[in-house]
Amino acid sequence: DTGVSQDPRHKITKRGQNVTFRCDPISEHNRLYWYRQTLGQGPEFLTYFQNEAQLEKSRLLSDRFSAERPKGSFSTLEIQRTEQGDSAMYLCASSPVLREAFFGQGTRLTVV
Amino acid sequence: AQTVTQSQPEMSVQEAETVTLSCTYDTSESDYYLFWYKQPPSRQMILVIRQEAYKQQNATENRFSVNFQKAAKSFSLKISDSQLGDAAMYFCAYRGGNTPLVFGKGTRLSVIA
Repeated sequence: DTGVSQDPRHKITKRGQNVTFRCDPISEHNRLYWYRQTLGQGPEFLTYFQNEAQLEKSRLLSDRFSAERPKGSFSTLEIQRTEQGDSAMYLCASSPVLREAFFGQGTRLTVV
Repeated sequence: AQTVTQSQPEMSVQEAETVTLSCTYDTSESDYYLFWYKQPPSRQMILVIRQEAYKQQNATENRFSVNFQKAAKSFSLKISDSQLGDAAMYFCAYRGGNTPLVFGKGTRLSVIA
């Protein structure tokens, strides 16, 4: 097992474009989390899944953000009509239900 | 809502010395987990140590140990015999029984040779 994998590692996009990120969790982990981290800050919770069910979504999450986890395996995070304020590191993590989360290397998004 | 507070934005320590990073949290739950994560520059977040709230014994992992004070809602990390590779951002995190991780804002640790 190679750990949590995120793709792409870096993404530069123009304002107004849509972007999609992928996360492949550790195979036996049924929980998957998405976080956003800006420079010098702690990770901010966006949403999480248990298997294919999206259990919670941050109130801070704009309607432009959507996440899916079909079949309870990999997950995608889509941002529509990107804005400069969306520039951040997007982190994915996975865990068994009652254990610590393991993080991927993140996708760094730059909106120009 | 649960909150995690790290009051030290930056700390420094001499190589081979000991440093303690502070963390307090706020919760009404009785069953929860606490973690310290390390994030080296431009590298991924890795778990340093975890503590279950129901355990009275403080967790220890090699040079890393915690001082868990449940009544005071305090969870500090002690790093002994500091090494250059310990330089990183350190995040304290809380997770309730059925909730995602909540992170503090982090403490940037510098290790001076």
